[in-house]
Parts: sequence; structure tokens; C-alpha cells
Amino acid sequence: TQLLEQSPQFLSIQEGENLTVYCNSSSVFSSLQWYRQEPGEGPVLLVTVVTGGEVKKLKRLTFQFGDARKDSSLHITAAQPGDTGLYLCAGIQGAQKLVFGQGTRLTINP
Amino acid sequence: KAGVTQTPRYLIKTRGQQVTLSCSSISGHRSVSWYQQTPGQGLQFLFEYFSETQRNKGNFPGRFSGRQFSNSRSEMNVSTLELGDSALYLCASSWYQETQYFGPGTRLLVL
Repeated sequence: TQLLEQSPQFLSIQEGENLTVYCNSSSVFSSLQWYRQEPGEGPVLLVTVVTGGEVKKLKRLTFQFGDARKDSSLHITAAQPGDTGLYLCAGIQGAQKLVFGQGTRLTINP
Repeated sequence: KAGVTQTPRYLIKTRGQQVTLSCSSISGHRSVSWYQQTPGQGLQFLFEYFSETQRNKGNFPGRFSGRQFSNSRSEMNVSTLELGDSALYLCASSWYQETQYFGPGTRLLVL
């Protein structure tokens, strides 16, 4: 079983639509990160959220950390084809070890 | 600042062989972590080295091992390859593990 469950696993939408990706766990994390990975490349860090209830914005991307620090969401407004990729959430627990979710493969159709 | 590089990018091996993958970290980063990425299991943590000492280890068999050198280089070795070892292997370097910079990965195919 995955420590971090991401949903949906696959999402294909039209350009201009909004979407939300979820990352859930029964465990508490000291912080949580979101990455985007494109074909042939390694994941690239988008954001780190640390405080329960924290909201961070990165242009059209909004990241939220749950109050209990067990879950997080990524919301994209007015999606563009350039947002296509694999989105990964990763939680950090005590021993400085990163635990990744399965990922959400997002496709934005022009 | 140069990024993390990995060599080779692609590799084909047969069952029973052993393989060594290389990673060059960002200069000054003291931590390097290795991950295995497969469609079925996603990204799984293999191990982390900090200043040339293994600091964390994931749930992988002893066939998987690593080393970190003082010149920002590190290696991962897999002995007695199995078909299930086919995967993208990623290394990531960091000053502290909170911000990891990933390389492009080595895609290993075991036949």
C-alpha cells in the first residue's frame, strides 16, 4: 500500500479548464512537496508546504497543505498545454526520507 | 550552476548480470539519494548518502548498493539483475534533503 495516495491517477482535460489533484495519507508529514516530471527528465520541485493550512501560489498553480498535515491539493486554473506532465507529491517524515505518491499524469489538450 | 547528471542514460542488460550507474551531484551538495521509478510502483526510495556515509535506506534487497565519493560523484550498483529491476533510476542531490535536485535518470532494461 502507498503511504501517499494521489488522485486521480490520470486526467485529460481541455485547455482553459480548471483542475484539482489530491494527495492523501493517514500519516502526518513535517512537510510536503509537489514535483512535476516531464518525459525523459527527472522530477522538478514546484513547491514545499510546511505549515498546516498553508496555501502557496505559483502563477496559475495553488497548493494547499491540510490542517492536520496529512493531505495536500494542487489546483490549476485555466490549464495550458505546457502544464502537461506527471505531478508527484512527496512527504517528508522524521528521518529526512522522502516518500512519493504514485503520481497524476495530466494531459492538457489544445 | 551545473545540474545533476547521470550516465549512462540508457542501458540494456540480461538477467544475472550486474550494473553500475553513475551520478554527478551539484558541487557543494552533501546528500545524494537514489530512487527507482516504475509505472506500477511509482518512485521508490532506494538509499541516501550524506558525506560518503549511508544515512537512510529503503526497502530494497541487498543486491542494491551505493557509494558516494568526495568529488560529487556517486554510484549505484545492482548485482544479479532480475527482470523486475527494469526501471528508471534517478539520483537527486541536495544540501539538505528538503530541496532535492534530480538528474534525468538512467533507463535500465533487463532482458
